[in-house]
Amino acid sequence: KNQVEQSPQSLIILEGKNCTLQCNYTVSPFSNLRWYKQDTGRGPVSLTIMTFSENTKSNGRYTATLDADTKQSSLHITASQLSDSASYICVVSSDTGGFKTIFGAGTRLFVKA
Amino acid sequence: EAGVAQSPRYKIIEKRQSVAFWCNPISGHATLYWYQQILGQGPKLLIQFQNNGVVDDSQLPKDRFSAERLKGVDSTLKIQPAKLEDSAVYLCASSRGGGARRGEQYFGPGTRLTVT
Repeated sequence: KNQVEQSPQSLIILEGKNCTLQCNYTVSPFSNLRWYKQDTGRGPVSLTIMTFSENTKSNGRYTATLDADTKQSSLHITASQLSDSASYICVVSSDTGGFKTIFGAGTRLFVKA
Repeated sequence: EAGVAQSPRYKIIEKRQSVAFWCNPISGHATLYWYQQILGQGPKLLIQFQNNGVVDDSQLPKDRFSAERLKGVDSTLKIQPAKLEDSAVYLCASSRGGGARRGEQYFGPGTRLTVT
């Protein structure tokens, strides 16, 4: 069964600290993996996208890694800011003739001053 | 380019009433998606259109939910009659597709539905 599991479910950190969010998937065949940021009351916005051959991708203070062998990805946030408080959703796409996307439940990040 | 537009942003109805949501995708995007997002969960795909044809509606509760995409542009999602468990945010997304970025979706702000 195609699944995307994210951990932790929620996380509280102090402003300026770093954090790492995890995503494990069982989706096959793999096409690409994306991390989205979803602010409260808004739709998700794409942060990074990685295909099978890419193992790291950065977008400012956000760095995503992908290990296609172990089917794991992480999103590292450096020097967190209050505006980083949001849900971070891992999304894995599978191309089986009919293209499908499987969403994780998200990690809710709270950055405190 | 303009983003995905949705309306209304908020809607409160009583159970057994009907409600409709509207979505205008990014110009040129052939694929349109409707998702249901319950509080604390990731989005769940309800229906996917390619132009004006349905690609995937396997998780759409067809006894009460319906969607259409006339002329392959705007789309409406309807719930009739609504149940308490339909309270959620309804997200619309669109994508152009192609190559490694195939399937990258751009989301609208969502419609928050409360059924009382």
